[in-house]
Amino acid sequence: EAGVTQSPTHLIKTRGQQATLRCSPISGHTSVYWYQQALGLGLQFLLWYDEGEERNRGNFPPRFSGRQFPNYSSELNVNALELEDSALYLCASDDPTAYNEQFFGPGTRLTVL
Amino acid sequence: AQKITQTQPGMFVQEKEAVTLDCTYDTSDPSYGLFWYKQPSSGEMIFLIYQGSYDQQNATEGRYSLNFQKARKSANLVISASQLGDSAMYFCAMRGLQGAQKLVFGQGTRLTINP
Repeated sequence: EAGVTQSPTHLIKTRGQQATLRCSPISGHTSVYWYQQALGLGLQFLLWYDEGEERNRGNFPPRFSGRQFPNYSSELNVNALELEDSALYLCASDDPTAYNEQFFGPGTRLTVL
Repeated sequence: AQKITQTQPGMFVQEKEAVTLDCTYDTSDPSYGLFWYKQPSSGEMIFLIYQGSYDQQNATEGRYSLNFQKARKSANLVISASQLGDSAMYFCAMRGLQGAQKLVFGQGTRLTINP
């Protein structure tokens, strides 16, 4: 069974640009979560999508947005990039009715210059 | 609101020794789940073990066990017979079992196993 996949692995942008990160969940999972992990810190919850709808978002500005497609894959968009957006962005998926662990992808490392 | 506290920024242990990583939590949710994840230098989060708040027995998964003390709101991870490959960051996390499904993470503990 294929795990959660993310692309690209690395992304380098300059301040003010936009970044798009992609995630494909495990087959059968309808929920996708996005987390930000700044260097040396824990994971901070960004966004939760389920069945194509945004269900919850963390304490991040509106320039962090995303969507979930009919096949349950998801995109995270970060507009007007700032230096402090440099981080590892992790995507996770689960079955929201199962109350078990979230399965994580390998992450996208975003560097803003 | 939920909060996870990991008070050990770093731990150094000799190979083959047992190690306990501390985790305390705070929540107003009546039911919740507690998780431990391992993050090697590659960055991927690897699920280790899960404990439900109503589970009567402490969870075990191979060399990993979770010492769950509900009254103290602690969920310590015990790794028996540590191996060099156990060197990594370890994160304790929790989620409520109603409403928002997000995981709330602690700041992590960097575990180094010495040969």
